[in-house]
Amino acid sequence: DIQMTQSPSSLSASVGDRVTITCRASQGISNYLAWYQQKPGKVPKLLIYAASTLQSGVPSRFSGSGSGTDFTLTISSLQSEDVATYYCQRYNSAPLTFGGGTKVEIK
Amino acid sequence: QVQLVQSGAEVKKPGASVKVSCKASGYTFTNYYMHWVRQAPGQGLEWMGIINPSGGSTSYAQKFQGRVTMTRDTSTSTVYMELSSLRSEDTAVYYCASSGVNGDRLYFDHWGQGTLVTVSS
Repeated sequence: DIQMTQSPSSLSASVGDRVTITCRASQGISNYLAWYQQKPGKVPKLLIYAASTLQSGVPSRFSGSGSGTDFTLTISSLQSEDVATYYCQRYNSAPLTFGGGTKVEIK
Repeated sequence: QVQLVQSGAEVKKPGASVKVSCKASGYTFTNYYMHWVRQAPGQGLEWMGIINPSGGSTSYAQKFQGRVTMTRDTSTSTVYMELSSLRSEDTAVYYCASSGVNGDRLYFDHWGQGTLVTVSS
């Protein structure tokens, strides 16, 4: 199975900082990559699909890039409401797999 | 609007089975796949499998083969996930989540509220 590795596993940043999370696939997956945000105690929410397409209603400070094996999720200006765990997910073939998650906190 | 409403929390003993339901509304039930994803306490997300509500075909993650069964009832727009031979490691929140049916749309744009299944003697 194709494995998804996220880094870092956690980070702490100040409000207004630019935050970058990386997701690496063990094999090429083209652009079949989604990102989710899960706030504490809440249901995951789709942020980005097809590696870089913003889901409707998601703030424009979120962006995604990458193709093949290396992908990034960027928050251009971190807000307090962005405290959450972020997961990548590949969907090029079954079994669909998630990265281990990146917990984002405010410094 | 799309809604996925799951059944309530369950407490089961080791070795028992649990069946969780997910009732869909706000869209044509047979036009979207349904997946089950679980999350153990303090852990990440784990995909369990997929069901095509149109024909009922399924595909399960290898880890759950032989223990999980996903079914659907088109008359009530409801999908079910049954997990058998429960062990303590199966304690988790179980989510249903919908996706598109094309290969390039297998991401989860709607989620149920989650069902906590606790396995304890």
